[in-house]
Amino acid sequence: GESVGLHLPTLSVQEGDNSIINCAYSNSASDYFIWYKQESGKGPQFIIDIRSNMDKRQGQRVTVLLNKTVKHLSLQIAATQPGDSAVYFCAETPHQAGTALIFGKGTTLSVSS
Amino acid sequence: NAGVTQTPKFQVLKTGQSMTLQCAQDMNHNSMYWYRQDPGMGLRLIYYSASEGTTDKGEVPNGYNVSRLNKREFSLRLESAAPSQTSVYFCASSGETGREQYFGPGTRLTVT
Repeated sequence: GESVGLHLPTLSVQEGDNSIINCAYSNSASDYFIWYKQESGKGPQFIIDIRSNMDKRQGQRVTVLLNKTVKHLSLQIAATQPGDSAVYFCAETPHQAGTALIFGKGTTLSVSS
Repeated sequence: NAGVTQTPKFQVLKTGQSMTLQCAQDMNHNSMYWYRQDPGMGLRLIYYSASEGTTDKGEVPNGYNVSRLNKREFSLRLESAAPSQTSVYFCASSGETGREQYFGPGTRLTVT
């Protein structure tokens, strides 16, 4: 079935390093791919999205890359900080589902100082 | 501006009991959603409402009902709770595109 998943459930980095969180998707018809961040005990929070006709989009300290050939999405966080420690989810907008999102299982990012 | 609020924050039910989870948003959003989050499963959509007066099933609707009471409020009802419904429930709202969803703080529900 259609699904969005992540390559690794956990990622540990040192403060100041760059982090790369990966996600594989299966639905080629999705219009947008989105990254959310969930801090412990809170609801997810939108980070950045990318339209399916783009390869790269940059935000503040974050970059999302989309490789449609291999159905791969990644989130790069520059100069990772302890406040970046959270669970990161990728999500997609399946074309037939209106405004609903399909979320992947999440990667836990731990940043040590 | 409180964003998305959910009540209660915690709830313990016995199997077979019923309850309603409440959600309200003050951002004038048309779309609202209910998700459940289980360990290792990510977020799964239960029901969503694209506008006042409409509701649609998500990935895991069985055992739940919803009501879009007005533009602000979207409630989730468990008619006969089961242990498999032990989870953290999140309500969210969004504008037209649905890509940027605003989540509430969640309700942690335990069914014994």
